[in-house]
Amino acid sequence: TQLLEQSPQFLSIQEGENLTVYCNSSSVFSSLQWYRQEPGEGPVLLVTVVTGGEVKKLKRLTFQFGDARKDSSLHITAAQPGDTGLYLCAGGNQTGANNLFFGTGTRLTVIP
Amino acid sequence: DVKVTQSSRYLVKRTGEKVFLECVQDMDHENMFWYRQDPGLGLRLIYFSYDVKMKEKGDIPEGYSVSREKKERFSLILESASTNQTSMYLCASSFGGLEEETQYFGPGTRLLVL
Repeated sequence: TQLLEQSPQFLSIQEGENLTVYCNSSSVFSSLQWYRQEPGEGPVLLVTVVTGGEVKKLKRLTFQFGDARKDSSLHITAAQPGDTGLYLCAGGNQTGANNLFFGTGTRLTVIP
Repeated sequence: DVKVTQSSRYLVKRTGEKVFLECVQDMDHENMFWYRQDPGLGLRLIYFSYDVKMKEKGDIPEGYSVSREKKERFSLILESASTNQTSMYLCASSFGGLEEETQYFGPGTRLLVL
């Protein structure tokens, strides 16, 4: 099993603040996905990164895949209450099958 | 829109009961997955299937079995439920074999085993 550790595990911030969530592993991944899960629902894909060093922006969210493809970060600018949820990273392992290894998750709460 | 549905949102069973969790997807996806989600442990893969009647063990298959008789349906079976199987169960599907493809999740079934 390839482990993905996310930090912090819990994060509570005020609306308008910036934050960064980290996803780290000792393993190399061929791709890295970020999902957000809201209470009572399943995870929903936010972004996929496949190239070491790649940076993708989705409105106020910026995703980066580490050069060595072992880590990733998610930065949120000017957080809003709608950003509240569980953020999960998931790594693909180049086996050719669509198997993902999920991280432990970061639970974000944005206080109005 | 892809839709993945799960038969129950909440389920309460007793130790030793046989439990069936059903998952249906409507997008003709090849791959289907069953995960369990526990606080601090993330999602852990129980079983997956990449074709009808095909199944592969994930990271934690012990105590579970699966069935995929039709492409759109993937069932998770707990032959004899135990209290340590109390968890949130998530089903997912994806189109093909590329590891970077999106997995689409159902809303989850929260199972309590007493």
